[in-house]
Amino acid sequence: DVKVTQSSRYLVKRTGEKVFLECVQDMDHENMFWYRQDPGLGLRLIYFSYDVKMKEKGDIPEGYSVSREKKERFSLILESASTNQTSMYLCASSLGGGVLTFGAGSRLTVL
Amino acid sequence: GENVEQHPSTLSVQEGDSAVIKCTYSDSASNYFPWYKQELGKGPQLIIDIRSNVGEKKDQRIAVTLNKTAKHFSLHITETQPEDSAVYFCAASDSNYQLIWGAGTKLIIKP
Repeated sequence: DVKVTQSSRYLVKRTGEKVFLECVQDMDHENMFWYRQDPGLGLRLIYFSYDVKMKEKGDIPEGYSVSREKKERFSLILESASTNQTSMYLCASSLGGGVLTFGAGSRLTVL
Repeated sequence: GENVEQHPSTLSVQEGDSAVIKCTYSDSASNYFPWYKQELGKGPQLIIDIRSNVGEKKDQRIAVTLNKTAKHFSLHITETQPEDSAVYFCAASDSNYQLIWGAGTKLIIKP
């Protein structure tokens, strides 16, 4: 069964802390994505990557960075967490063709 | 850029009845329209998709229709069952990498 695994399901951090959200996929997919999900706003793309060491900004990249050192792993980094970054974060991967496989999500609360 | 509007935000139907969720999009160049279902505690999962060269697609109890002239597409679920309760997202894309998402519809199936 193919999987996208997000290592942390729930995190609570303080304002100003550096936060790492990790995502690993076992499907040998080239493309990986980080989305943010907020009620009433759907899914908004933060960053995506279609190859190792490649990254592209999505619609809301401000305050975030990403790292893709290996094909299977795509990390989202909040350099200095703020309360408005409290949200559900979803990682996804695809082989192309638009079909995304999502992880279960990481719910981040910034106090 | 593309904008996708999804209605209604919440839909409550009696078990066994049909449910219809509608999305409109703004970019006439969009050519791929997937629907994802998100169950509680899980990431979204693709349930059906349609490309712009097709007007309707069915898969058992679910169907999607596309009206390119009016720029809207709809998800139809017949004979609803309790396991259909979830949040449903539509999306539109003119490439295989970036999807623009609707805000989501919470479908409640009443016993």
